[in-house]
Amino acid sequence: AQSVTQLDSQVPVFEEAPVELRCNYSSSVSVYLFWYVQYPNQGLQLLLKYLSGSTLVKGINGFEAEFNKSQTSFHLRKPSVHISDTAEYFCAVSRLFGNEKLTFGTGTRLTIIP
Amino acid sequence: DAGITQSPRHKVTETGTPVTLRCHQTENHRYMYWYRQDPGHGLRLIHYSYGVKDTDKGEVSDGYSVSRSKTEDFLLTLESATSSQTSVYFCAISESGAYYEQYFGPGTRLTVT
Repeated sequence: AQSVTQLDSQVPVFEEAPVELRCNYSSSVSVYLFWYVQYPNQGLQLLLKYLSGSTLVKGINGFEAEFNKSQTSFHLRKPSVHISDTAEYFCAVSRLFGNEKLTFGTGTRLTIIP
Repeated sequence: DAGITQSPRHKVTETGTPVTLRCHQTENHRYMYWYRQDPGHGLRLIHYSYGVKDTDKGEVSDGYSVSRSKTEDFLLTLESATSSQTSVYFCAISESGAYYEQYFGPGTRLTVT
């Protein structure tokens, strides 16, 4: 079975500062990796995903993530955050084969300080 | 936005009563999922469906059952609600498994008193 660890439950960041949200995964087989975002009182939506190929993945709203197989990590980054980025961010993993299900991390709440 | 609706959006019920939550999609996607979201736990999969009448358990399926008699509808039933089932429930849909993006509904906040 696969699992996901999001190391920070809350991350406060000043507006226009860079941010990194950390995600590590564990799996005995190859995986697909995802970041989802949940704005207040809404469902989740996909930010970006890594399926194969280039390890640097770009997503919506200026976010990007880098897949590091040796460190089993998929950290999310943004060079300059805005108030509108205030949300909860979830890292998720699915197996390469038999990939019907996603396993989510516990989430990181990003708070932007004006 | 993907066409996913959940009903009801809010519900308060008493311990021991049955509760059914409905997820309805207009996208004709094959896969449908039920998750619960709790602080400190993220999202946990309850059940999912990979076609009409085809369902399977997730990691927290005890106390829940599901049914899918039509492509567009996926029902989650709590046979006898308990306070530990107080949560926010999300439905999601996907064209073909987790490889594809999952689209989430707006959620149902369920309180069991």
